[in-house]
Amino acid sequence: DIQMTQSPSSLSASVGDRVTITCRASQSISSYLNWYQQKPGKAPKLLIYAASSLQSGVPSRFSGSGSGTDFTLTISSLQPEDFATYYCQQSYSTPRSFGQGTKLEIK
Amino acid sequence: QVQLQESGPGLVKPSQTLSLTCTVSGGSISSGSYYWSWIRQPAGKGLEWIGRIYTSGSTNYNPSLKSRVTISVDTSKNQFSLKLSSVTAADTAVYYCARTDGYCSGGSCYRYFDLWGRGTLVTVSS
Repeated sequence: DIQMTQSPSSLSASVGDRVTITCRASQSISSYLNWYQQKPGKAPKLLIYAASSLQSGVPSRFSGSGSGTDFTLTISSLQPEDFATYYCQQSYSTPRSFGQGTKLEIK
Repeated sequence: QVQLQESGPGLVKPSQTLSLTCTVSGGSISSGSYYWSWIRQPAGKGLEWIGRIYTSGSTNYNPSLKSRVTISVDTSKNQFSLKLSSVTAADTAVYYCARTDGYCSGGSCYRYFDLWGRGTLVTVSS
């Protein structure tokens, strides 16, 4: 099974900040990497698929990069609605697996 | 637009079988090349993929749960279902159903969970 590790586990930032979250796979997964945003009491929402493709309707301040084992999610200018938990997920093989999450909090 | 909705008992006794159904509305479960998945999340913890089914009926399960999981589809009702047997307190979680879509290019298909149900809390307790 492929293990996904995110860093940091939590992060404090201010509105307007540029934020980067990292995800590392235990083996190469090419670009089979997705990012989700989850707010309390809600289902996860797809932000980025195939490592760098922006899901329809997602603001352009979100971007993804990377391939192989190392990936990043960047939010270029944090907005109040971006404070949430973010998960990476690999779709290279089954069983599908998620990172442990990165909680983005207001500083 | 297509929506997913989980339903089933919110309380299950230990050693019994958890049964949930996901109803797909606004579109046919058989249209397109979608997989239909179950994912769970214990309170305050991360996401765990349970398994998926294709509309042909083919399934894939998480090996950590495989001996206890059955996912099935009923295309006539536009539903797919989850059964998890011999539950314990460790199976207490919010259970989500989700649709897997994909972007295919150059022989590679990049799949992702693009639609999710709102989730349903299942508590295992006597």
